[in-house]
Amino acid sequence: DSGVTQTPKHLITATGQRVTLRCSPRSGDLSVYWYQQSLDQGLQFLIQYYNGEERAKGNILERFSAQQFPDLHSELNLSSLELGDSALYFCASSVTQGSGNTIYFGEGSWLTVV
Amino acid sequence: DQQVKQNSPSLSVQEGRISILNCDYTNSMFDYFLWYKKYPAEGPTFLISISSIKDKNEDGRFTVFLNKSAKHLSLHIVPSQPGDSAVYFCAASEAGTASKLTFGTGTRLQVTL
Repeated sequence: DSGVTQTPKHLITATGQRVTLRCSPRSGDLSVYWYQQSLDQGLQFLIQYYNGEERAKGNILERFSAQQFPDLHSELNLSSLELGDSALYFCASSVTQGSGNTIYFGEGSWLTVV
Repeated sequence: DQQVKQNSPSLSVQEGRISILNCDYTNSMFDYFLWYKKYPAEGPTFLISISSIKDKNEDGRFTVFLNKSAKHLSLHIVPSQPGDSAVYFCAASEAGTASKLTFGTGTRLQVTL
């Protein structure tokens, strides 16, 4: 158990819908990351937050957005869902924001768009 | 542009032998490297890391070697155990204020009896 908690673990929804994935980082961790793993791709970085502020952005679609709240939990919002958005979405956290940090991953939220 | 590459998609090793997983990178700004182990439909589990100021780091059965001039790192598992069978990802982060990881495509390790 990494200490990073993600909900829901599984989610099935229809195209065009909107979903919210939730993440609670490890106790004491200020930085939160979101990654996507599709069937035919590796782990793709989406976005990073540190203490409530966006720190880095990767290949995140405009239909996707995220935020980190004052209690440090984070949410990833996926809207106008398409079949290709079906993937495992991982949240991860680390103590701080710079390089040299070990990043710990949650168990993932499996999203299926039908 | 794949900045972190794991050129061997799979590796099979006998129990008790050494497993060597390789990783190459192209970005000279990477200064911290990590190895993760992953089972299907589970999150990556951190194994071991190494800073660019070192060339070797050891933790139990796991040792990571870094060759900066060759932009190459490797993970050695000795002795290999059946429970080590999983996909192993190499990851790297750049110096700076953002610590996002860039992952390789993974190597599936199968440890046979």
